[in-house]
Amino acid sequence: QSALTQPPSASGSPGQSVTISCTGTISDVGGYNYVSWYQQHPGKAPKLMIYEVSKRPSGVPDRFSGSKSGNTASLTVSGLQAEDEADYYCSSYAGSTYVFGTGTKVTVL
Amino acid sequence: QVQLQESGPGLVEPSGTLSLTCAVSGYSISSGHWWSWVRQPPGKGLEWIGEIDYSGSPIYSPSLKSRLTISVDKSKNQFSLNLSSVTAADTAVYYCARQGTYTSDYWGQGILVTVSS
Repeated sequence: QSALTQPPSASGSPGQSVTISCTGTISDVGGYNYVSWYQQHPGKAPKLMIYEVSKRPSGVPDRFSGSKSGNTASLTVSGLQAEDEADYYCSSYAGSTYVFGTGTKVTVL
Repeated sequence: QVQLQESGPGLVEPSGTLSLTCAVSGYSISSGHWWSWVRQPPGKGLEWIGEIDYSGSPIYSPSLKSRLTISVDKSKNQFSLNLSSVTAADTAVYYCARQGTYTSDYWGQGILVTVSS
């Protein structure tokens, strides 16, 4: 059960958009519509931002959106703000277990 | 508001057993949901450890299964993690979380456990 592949880093200026990919296999990302995205600030617990590929929990800004195509899921942050600078992790159900992505550090320039 | 709080020793000797408890408030474990453990080695990514449902049926990560026990105590509204034969590679921040619909919707603040003599 290998970790899902994410780019190590992504960046954008305030107001711009950034998209993070999360690549798995048919056994996880491609096989289920149960991809989640978590935001983690330094020294803090992860925070759920997206679940079931594209659903936002209450309180998460609509600047955050998710999608999936085949074995790759994506998180897009539109209208980047300074507080969006954080690590982002994807996660997928893998048939009774779960697997996390390798993580992406988003920098707001 | 659902809240989770991890507790346990911050230092464990190599070859010993790492034992943690997650106390849940604002929600009764007996009402349902699965309850999970996730860890994060210093400076590294998240790793799913396992989960347990309110009836006490666990599911473990294949890579940790031989050393892992997760249990639930509904009377105390808490669940626990025991990881045996630990090494330095088990040093990490350990998080407990509530599983929503195939996602972790509520998280504890995390507890750092260091494996060292």
